Amino acid sequence: AMQMTQSPSSLSAFVGDRVTITCRAGQDIGKDLSWYQQKPGKAPKLLIYAASTLQSGVPSRFSGSGSGTDFTLTIRSLQPEDSATYYCLQEFNYPCTFGQGTRLEIK
Amino acid sequence: QVHLQESGPGLVKPSETLSLTCTVSGGSVNNNIFYWSWIRQPPGKGLEWIGYVHYSGNINYNPSLKSRLAISVDTSKNQFFLKLNSVTAADTAVYYCVRAYRTGTFRPLDIWGQGTLVTVS
Repeated sequence: AMQMTQSPSSLSAFVGDRVTITCRAGQDIGKDLSWYQQKPGKAPKLLIYAASTLQSGVPSRFSGSGSGTDFTLTIRSLQPEDSATYYCLQEFNYPCTFGQGTRLEIK
Repeated sequence: QVHLQESGPGLVKPSETLSLTCTVSGGSVNNNIFYWSWIRQPPGKGLEWIGYVHYSGNINYNPSLKSRLAISVDTSKNQFFLKLNSVTAADTAVYYCVRAYRTGTFRPLDIWGQGTLVTVS
């Protein structure tokens, strides 16, 4: 199975900050990457697919970029409700594989 | 508004079969662009893709589970199913049923059930 390496594993930031989470694929996956937000006790929520397409209803402060092996999720102007764990997912190769997650704490 | 709901036993004995049902409401499983998936998450850990079924019968399994796994769909009941046999404590997890939809060459997981905790003990 393709390994997805996500970093950092955790980070802490202030309201209003800009944060970046990265995901590296084990091989070229084109743009076949999506990002999910999971809050404690809840199911994950789709934020971005096709590396950079914002899912309907997701605030525009979330953005994604990248292609090939290196991808980035950026959250501008952090809000308290952005406290969550974020996962990347590749669907280029089966089995689909998730990154190990990034826990974001809002100070 | 499409809604997915998992149901099934919350406790399964080791070596027995874990069986879950996902009921889809507000939409039909009988749609070419949707792939009906299962994802699991052990307590305090990350997400694992289990597999999917398409209404046509096309299936795709995680090789790590394939020998113990069966995913199926019943279009008449608008449900899909997960069966995992010979379970061990390592199969203890929250199990999510999830809709993936095909858009171009991509299949993002756009609608998730609330998840159901299955404990093997």
